Amino acid sequence: GAVVSQHPSWVICKSGTSVKIECRSLDFQATTMFWYRQFPKQSLMLMATSNEGSKATYEQGVEKDKFLINHASLTLSTLTVTSAHPEDSSFYICSAPWGTDQETQYFGPGTRLLVL
Amino acid sequence: GQNIDQPTEMTATEGAIVQINCTYQTSGFNGLFWYQQHAGEAPTFLSYNVLDGLEEKGRFSSFLSRSKGYSYLLLKELQMKDSASYLCAVSDSNYQLIWGAGTKLIIKP
Repeated sequence: GAVVSQHPSWVICKSGTSVKIECRSLDFQATTMFWYRQFPKQSLMLMATSNEGSKATYEQGVEKDKFLINHASLTLSTLTVTSAHPEDSSFYICSAPWGTDQETQYFGPGTRLLVL
Repeated sequence: GQNIDQPTEMTATEGAIVQINCTYQTSGFNGLFWYQQHAGEAPTFLSYNVLDGLEEKGRFSSFLSRSKGYSYLLLKELQMKDSASYLCAVSDSNYQLIWGAGTKLIIKP
């Protein structure tokens, strides 16, 4: 299978600050990556689709000015949570499709964000 | 609308067999996935079914019936480490994954 990494795995920040999360495909190229958010005991919620070389596609209800996505290369996508607030505290997970027909998504280990 | 249904929680005994069901109604179908997610961790890929029938992979098997909009994940010889949430997801006509809420599987000794 494919390997996807995320950094950092844990971050604690003060309210009002910005936090950047990196998602890397380690042994394959990914023109598309997906960003998810998961609150405790809830299912994965797709936030946005990150496209290399073009703008990200955001799901309904997700503020694109608050969750900035940059897919600068074929192996790296970043999610920046701007002016974070306590309600943004969550588990953020990225994934990238891999396989013959790009049918399977492989997930990074996730980033746990706590905003104080 | 699009909908994925799976039981919220199941309990089984170590060494036994458990079947986790998933039913779906989606706009189009390009495959069904099962993922395992341990508490506090990201999901890991278990299986992918796009054609009807049973796919076996070690202790885990996954079955699909497209006409019935139904799948199950079968776990044999249960081990304590199998305690986790099992997520069913369907790729729709736009290749977007529609996720179920997950089934929390509790294994008892």
